[in-house]
Amino acid sequence: KNEVEQSPQNLTAQEGEFITINCSYSVGISALHWLQQHPGGGIVSLFMLSSGKKKHGRLIATINIQEKHSSLHITASHPRDSAVYICAALFQGAQKLVFGQGTRLTINP
Amino acid sequence: DGGITQSPKYLFRKEGQNVTLSCEQNLNHDAMYWYRQDPGQGLRLIYYSQIVNDFQKGDIAEGYSVSREKKESFPLTVTSAQKNPTAFYLCASSIIRDYNEQFFGPGTRLTVL
Repeated sequence: KNEVEQSPQNLTAQEGEFITINCSYSVGISALHWLQQHPGGGIVSLFMLSSGKKKHGRLIATINIQEKHSSLHITASHPRDSAVYICAALFQGAQKLVFGQGTRLTINP
Repeated sequence: DGGITQSPKYLFRKEGQNVTLSCEQNLNHDAMYWYRQDPGQGLRLIYYSQIVNDFQKGDIAEGYSVSREKKESFPLTVTSAQKNPTAFYLCASSIIRDYNEQFFGPGTRLTVL
């Protein structure tokens, strides 16, 4: 069965801390997406990756294909990073994304 | 500016009424999707369409209907048969290719009273 699990479900940290959000999936994938959902509900795509590592500003996404695991890291976290972070997998042979349940991140000043 | 628009942002309806949620995109994307989001749950696929005049059921299609008469538009009707319609509804679109990177609209929050 195609499944995606995220951890933790909720994460609270102080401004400046290094943040890690984890995503595990059940079987082989074509691509893994990281999305950010703002408090108003809008969703933006942060990364799409199928191997290795990608970096954009303070955000870093990594994926380990053998371990079926991806991580999203935020360096020097800031209160404006507070949002729900969602990973989604496109499993091999599938046409639809399967979404994790999201990680609610709160960064306190 | 290219993007996806959903209207309205908030919608209230009485129980037993059908309601149609609008989704329009000017990204020239072939594929469009409707998702439902409930508190504490991941996005769940309702319907998707990869070409005009064709669409497929997602994981939770019961009580919903869609049409795809134009490439730019993919309206979703929440019918009275949907047992628990109060939710946040998100529309997305993508180019059809291997990686399926999707672009999302701002969402419509539907409350059925």
